Amino acid sequence: AQKITQTQPGMFVQEKEAVTLDCTYDTSDQSYGLFWYKQPSSGEMIFLIYQGSYDEQNATEGRYSLNFQKARKSANLVISASQLGDSAMYFCSNRGDSSYKLIFGSGTRLLVRP
Amino acid sequence: DVKVTQSSRYLVKRTGEKVFLECVQDMDHENMFWYRQDPGLGLRLIYFSYDVKMKEKGDIPEGYSVSREKKERFSLILESASTNQTSMYLCASRPTGGHTDTQYFGPGTRLTVL
Repeated sequence: AQKITQTQPGMFVQEKEAVTLDCTYDTSDQSYGLFWYKQPSSGEMIFLIYQGSYDEQNATEGRYSLNFQKARKSANLVISASQLGDSAMYFCSNRGDSSYKLIFGSGTRLLVRP
Repeated sequence: DVKVTQSSRYLVKRTGEKVFLECVQDMDHENMFWYRQDPGLGLRLIYFSYDVKMKEKGDIPEGYSVSREKKERFSLILESASTNQTSMYLCASRPTGGHTDTQYFGPGTRLTVL
């Protein structure tokens, strides 16, 4: 069965510093995709970044990068130069054994301190 | 920009009531999804639909049904609401094909069943 593990229920980071949010996944699929979403207090899930299992380079989107270590089955999100607006819940997810399904982790709540 | 809207942000219902949660997307996406989100559990898939009048059960379909009569609209139905269905409900849509399986989410409906 597909599974996503996020071991950090909550984290603090100082404004302008970098932070890494951990994610490990379990899948038997050869081809899969990994996603990170941000959920601010307003509730909407905002797509941040995508990594395909066959992508040779780590994905980057502005201040977000994904540290993809395939052999270790980890897909950590790195946020550089944290901003106050980065305070939110962050969810890691994997496209499941059906291409329609996303499997989500339990989330990490990030608080950025001024 | 993809826009997914949900009929209510907050909803309070009584045990035994029939509840309709509506979701509309304006990007002609074939696939639509209903999730519920509970603290510590992340998002869990209730039902999804890959075409008009087509539906598939997700991981936790018990107590729910869905309806997709038009491509842009996907409804979640609680036939007889119970207190354990108090939760945040998120709708998402996704096109078929494309480089990623990115799902686009609505703002969520926070349902309380008394």
